[in-house]
Amino acid sequence: DTAVSQTPKYLVTQMGNDKSIKCEQNLGHDTMYWYKQDSKKFLKIMFSYNNKELIINETVPNRFSPKSPDKAHLNLHINSLELGDSAVYFCASSQPGLTTYEQYFGPGTRLTVT
Amino acid sequence: RKEVEQDPGPFNVPEGATVAFNCTYSNSASQSFFWYRQDCRKEPKLLMSVYSSGNEDGRFTAQLNRASQYISLLIRDSKLSDSATYLCVVNRGFQKLVFGTGTRLLVSP
Repeated sequence: DTAVSQTPKYLVTQMGNDKSIKCEQNLGHDTMYWYKQDSKKFLKIMFSYNNKELIINETVPNRFSPKSPDKAHLNLHINSLELGDSAVYFCASSQPGLTTYEQYFGPGTRLTVT
Repeated sequence: RKEVEQDPGPFNVPEGATVAFNCTYSNSASQSFFWYRQDCRKEPKLLMSVYSSGNEDGRFTAQLNRASQYISLLIRDSKLSDSATYLCVVNRGFQKLVFGTGTRLLVSP
């Protein structure tokens, strides 16, 4: 009954590989996000999708490609992984309303590139 | 300069103490404001929204000063379980949240 789930929880891979992280939310929210939290704990938005449509695309290398097959899923594919991609990646979802703006985060995927 | 600035701490306080965190933001067009809490190796979770009139939730009080672009969080009667990183968050519009780097709080017995 997890609200926002991500797989895998841990991912260790070598430079140059391609990997994917999956995210699913069962909250019925229209908007989903990917964030990156680096080693200094700085949490920065990468992408946002609203009802399968891309609405935020921050300055992220085009090696990162999000895909939203439906509004409950937002996956992140990373090509040609680099050492600097090592971080914790959080998926989140929200249903913006008039008085609140809570984003619900998944447990994170800890990516280590060696 | 970061868009949302916080003192990283750590703030070390004994149980029962009152502690206050401050945050400044640079974008005057920011629309709404929040405090999130993040425990070690966990995901961030909403602690409370911050309103211009100030708001309180139990032992937690949040204040917003739009003129000074300043947000604060006051925790009274600190508990061991309050130990965490507190993230100041600004909604810049278009569903984009900007997070500060967080203030770490350690409450000791």
